[in-house]
Amino acid sequence: QQPVQSPQAVILREGEDAVINCSSSKALYSVHWYRQKHGEAPVFLMILLKGGEQKGHDKISASFNEKRQQSSLYLTASQLSYSGTYFCGTERGRDDKIIFGKGTRLHILP
Amino acid sequence: SQTIHQWPATLVQPVGSPLSLECTVEGTSNPNLYWYRQAAGRGLQLLFYSVGIGQISSEVPQNLSASRPQDRQFILSSKKLLLSDSGFYLCAWSVFQEYFGPGTRLTVT
Repeated sequence: QQPVQSPQAVILREGEDAVINCSSSKALYSVHWYRQKHGEAPVFLMILLKGGEQKGHDKISASFNEKRQQSSLYLTASQLSYSGTYFCGTERGRDDKIIFGKGTRLHILP
Repeated sequence: SQTIHQWPATLVQPVGSPLSLECTVEGTSNPNLYWYRQAAGRGLQLLFYSVGIGQISSEVPQNLSASRPQDRQFILSSKKLLLSDSGFYLCAWSVFQEYFGPGTRLTVT
């Protein structure tokens, strides 16, 4: 039931773009995205509820393909502050438990 | 506004000793509560979740247990710690999205 994230790790130069994928073998109700800095608790980025939904703020956005049971997180013109580990969390139903993927480590070089 | 408290922030315990970690939430009622463990450099492993007082679901069979004596209080316990229990323990609550507490870094020696 654990969603699969890819890639496992990414190294980028500042200003480059990145895409992180999250896929599930089961139908999903929602997908959550979080970023965790080293030694800190994860911080909520966004939640997607409807198939085809896209959300974003600043230069971080995400899409949710409900039929494909997949979500992607897009980081555009990456900044040094984007470094960290990104987790997707999935719910199969409303008020269901959230199961997180293993995370994608993103390292931005100056 | 909602706030989640966890304590202690760090803990060093010998193998075989008991454990009690506490988590409390303010500013909301009847939240879903979660305990996660994160080993060094690893992902978030769901340990327990609770949808109400006295309602606990265990995700991983192990020597840990959880209790929810009050609506906004979630406790993680162990009678005898193992070396493999070391990690970063995170409490979280959700009504619509999940909010994580600051975490407890546990080292079992």
